[in-house]
Amino acid sequence: AQSVAQPEDQVNVAEGNPLTVKCTYSVSGNPYLFWYVQYPNRGLQFLLKYITGDNLVKGSYGFEAEFNKSQTSFHLKKPSALVSDSALYFCAVRDPNSNYQLIWGAGTKLIIKP
Amino acid sequence: EAGVAQSPRYKIIEKRQSVAFWCNPISGHATLYWYQQILGQGPKLLIQFQNNGVVDDSQLPKDRFSAERLKGVDSTLKIQPAKLEDSAVYLCASSLVAGHEQFFGPGTRLTVL
Repeated sequence: AQSVAQPEDQVNVAEGNPLTVKCTYSVSGNPYLFWYVQYPNRGLQFLLKYITGDNLVKGSYGFEAEFNKSQTSFHLKKPSALVSDSALYFCAVRDPNSNYQLIWGAGTKLIIKP
Repeated sequence: EAGVAQSPRYKIIEKRQSVAFWCNPISGHATLYWYQQILGQGPKLLIQFQNNGVVDDSQLPKDRFSAERLKGVDSTLKIQPAKLEDSAVYLCASSLVAGHEQFFGPGTRLTVL
């Protein structure tokens, strides 16, 4: 069965430090992977995607994600965290067997402390 | 480019009442989704439209929820009658092509008392 796992409910990082939010997936075929961010009382915002090509994908707000096929991971990263990055982050993978719907992770709350 | 529009932003109703949500997707986006999101959880797909046809409504509680997308543009989601457990944020999203990135509206926060 297709699935997405975000193993950490919450990640705490000091401002200015690098951050990583983890995501692993299980899907048949080549994965289409996505990261979204949700600020309080807001809808989800698309950050970046991996479809094919370079394993390091760059997205909005200075975020990037590294696709690792052997580890079936798609971790979200940023070299220097900002307090304004504090939000809920969701990883998703396209399900090729279900009308290309997205399978969503449970979300990781990122807290950046000044 | 205008984003996905949703209204209302907030709604408070009594249980057993009815409520309707409206969504206008990004122009040209053929695929439209309605999600239900419980606080702190990932979104749960309720229904997926391709143009004005339903692609998947397997997780829509059809005894109380209905949705339509007339003319393949804007869409409405209705709940009748509402239950306490329907309290959630209802998100509308659209994508140019199914399986590619989805763009979300701000959501409607529903509280059922």
